[in-house]
Amino acid sequence: GENVEQHPSTLSVQEGDSAVIKCTYSDSASNYFPWYKQELGKRPQLIIDIRSNVGEKKDQRIAVTLNKTAKHFSLHITETQPEDSAVYFCAAKVRAAGNKLTFGGGTRVLVKP
Amino acid sequence: SAVISQKPSRDICQRGTSLTIQCQVDSQVTMMFWYRQQPGQSLTLIATANQGSEATYESGFVIDKFPISRPNLTFSTLTVSNMSPEDSSIYLCSVEVTGGINEQYFGPGTRLTVT
Repeated sequence: GENVEQHPSTLSVQEGDSAVIKCTYSDSASNYFPWYKQELGKRPQLIIDIRSNVGEKKDQRIAVTLNKTAKHFSLHITETQPEDSAVYFCAAKVRAAGNKLTFGGGTRVLVKP
Repeated sequence: SAVISQKPSRDICQRGTSLTIQCQVDSQVTMMFWYRQQPGQSLTLIATANQGSEATYESGFVIDKFPISRPNLTFSTLTVSNMSPEDSSIYLCSVEVTGGINEQYFGPGTRLTVT
């Protein structure tokens, strides 16, 4: 089945700097790649996603890039703010496999003021 | 998106007992899922709740331990049976919103502690 690896597991950045989280996936049939942000004690929230027919997508300070050939995708957060501190999860979905999301291990991001 | 509620939000249970968690969605959805998130860990899919048929379980999860019901397109239950301290975790239901993008959203979770 699908395997998603996420790096780094923890990331500490200064406020205003950029943060990048990278994920690789194993199944070339995957065609949907969402990112979730989970604050302490809260549910995972979908913050951005990308489909396999698109190479990059932006939404204000966050962007996601996808390299289908290399089977990896990345989340970029620019001008980080303290409220960006959270755990971020990447995921991949293989539509043919019953619409199941496979999650990466998560990245704990700490933005230092 | 969809508004998803879960009951209870948290519970403390004794080992050997069972707890049923309810998930309610404000609109009809085709796909509903149950996940487990152990402290400090990622999300692990327990099963897909199928409306009108038996749930589809992932490797390592069995129906006797985690029976699931899905009586209609807006409601599902997950039961954690014969609990042990190892079952202490957060249990989340999730739904896929049908449409062009098929995003998946999560309920608020149920924090279960087994003593």
